[in-house]
Amino acid sequence: DIQMTQSPSSVSASVGDRVTITCRASQDVSRWLAWYQQKPGKAPQLLIFSTSTLQIGVPSRFSGSGSGTDFTLTISSLQPEDFATYYCQQAISFPTFGGGTKVEMK
Amino acid sequence: QITLKESGPTLVKPTQTLTLTCAFSGFSLTTSGVGVGWIRQTPGKALEWLALIYWDDDKRFSPSLKSRLAITKDTSKDQVVLTLTNVDPADTATYYCVHKDETMSFYFDLWGQGALVTVSS
Repeated sequence: DIQMTQSPSSVSASVGDRVTITCRASQDVSRWLAWYQQKPGKAPQLLIFSTSTLQIGVPSRFSGSGSGTDFTLTISSLQPEDFATYYCQQAISFPTFGGGTKVEMK
Repeated sequence: QITLKESGPTLVKPTQTLTLTCAFSGFSLTTSGVGVGWIRQTPGKALEWLALIYWDDDKRFSPSLKSRLAITKDTSKDQVVLTLTNVDPADTATYYCVHKDETMSFYFDLWGQGALVTVSS
């Protein structure tokens, strides 16, 4: 299995802050990486796939970067609706997910 | 508009077989490249991919659960069924049905609302 490790597990931030979440794969996944957002009581939603491609309807304040084993999700200016938990997922082999990063209000 | 909805028992006893149905609309599972899969989320919020069935009936399973899983499709009813045999309390989770677009690899662009399943005697 390819293990996915996210950090931090939680981050406290304010509206307008720049937030960065990292995801590390236990082996090279090239650019086969996705990010999902999950709000309480809801299913995860696809934000970004292929490392940096925004899913239709996702605001441009979200961006993704990286390749190989190290990846980053950045929210350039945190909005109230962005407080949620974020998961990375590798897609080069059978899918595995990171443990999640909860973005909380400071 | 694509929708997926899971249905099945909310409580299952250990050693029994869990059967979940995904009823979908807004797309066809006969379209080349399309897939429908299952992902579960434990009470601790960990996400685990379980299985995927493709338009051509090709199937993929999580290696750790492959011996206990089966997935089938009924394109006349627009349904996909997942079975998990010999369940254990560790199988307690919310089970999500997911859609894989024909242009994507193992990316899941749409999810059902989820079905909470508890395994307990």
